[in-house]
Amino acid sequence: DQQVKQNSPSLSVQEGRISILNCDYTNSMFDYFLWYKKYPAEGPTFLISISSIKDKNEDGRFTVFLNKSAKHLSLHIVPSQPGDSAVYFCAASEESNFGNEKLTFGTGTRLTIIP
Amino acid sequence: DVKVTQSSRYLVKRTGEKVFLECVQDMDHENMFWYRQDPGLGLRLIYFSYDVKMKEKGDIPEGYSVSREKKERFSLILESASTNQTSMYLCASSLMGVGEQYFGPGTRLTVT
Repeated sequence: DQQVKQNSPSLSVQEGRISILNCDYTNSMFDYFLWYKKYPAEGPTFLISISSIKDKNEDGRFTVFLNKSAKHLSLHIVPSQPGDSAVYFCAASEESNFGNEKLTFGTGTRLTIIP
Repeated sequence: DVKVTQSSRYLVKRTGEKVFLECVQDMDHENMFWYRQDPGLGLRLIYFSYDVKMKEKGDIPEGYSVSREKKERFSLILESASTNQTSMYLCASSLMGVGEQYFGPGTRLTVT
């Protein structure tokens, strides 16, 4: 049972345009969401997060939007750069005995930026 | 600079062998995690540990065990490796109560 879904396995975007990566979740108890970026032969690196009390969080070129009623979040990258080519994973967690420490990851979207 | 290191980048083992994957973090983090990454399946949690000698099963613990004797070190053990355990194994760590995890570079294990 995939609680976090990234329905687009791949996405190609022209350099300078906006990249939009989508993520859906089914567990209504999730209250903290993160995006990770992964280059080949490297571990994932944290990109940006959002708490369920917010609907938007920005960090430079990266913005994450959360729509709780639709159980949907998206990552916007603008403008897209060649170095953004990577696999992007969304992840979610719910408050538990361990805080928000245990993450459930999506299947990933491979983003390719076309120069 | 925060650092999570894994003992091997690439490993080839035979079916039935006992395999040890080691992970060390230098950030004094309480939590440590082992995931495997497979195409089309994303990252799946095998085990995690929230303190020395403490462990919790993740989503796919079958065929694996773990050991955490020191805070900075978390080992994943495959008691009898099988071909379906061929995968990329990723270790991560985090502070108590915090969602952001720091990942090591991964170990690509091939079981033949």
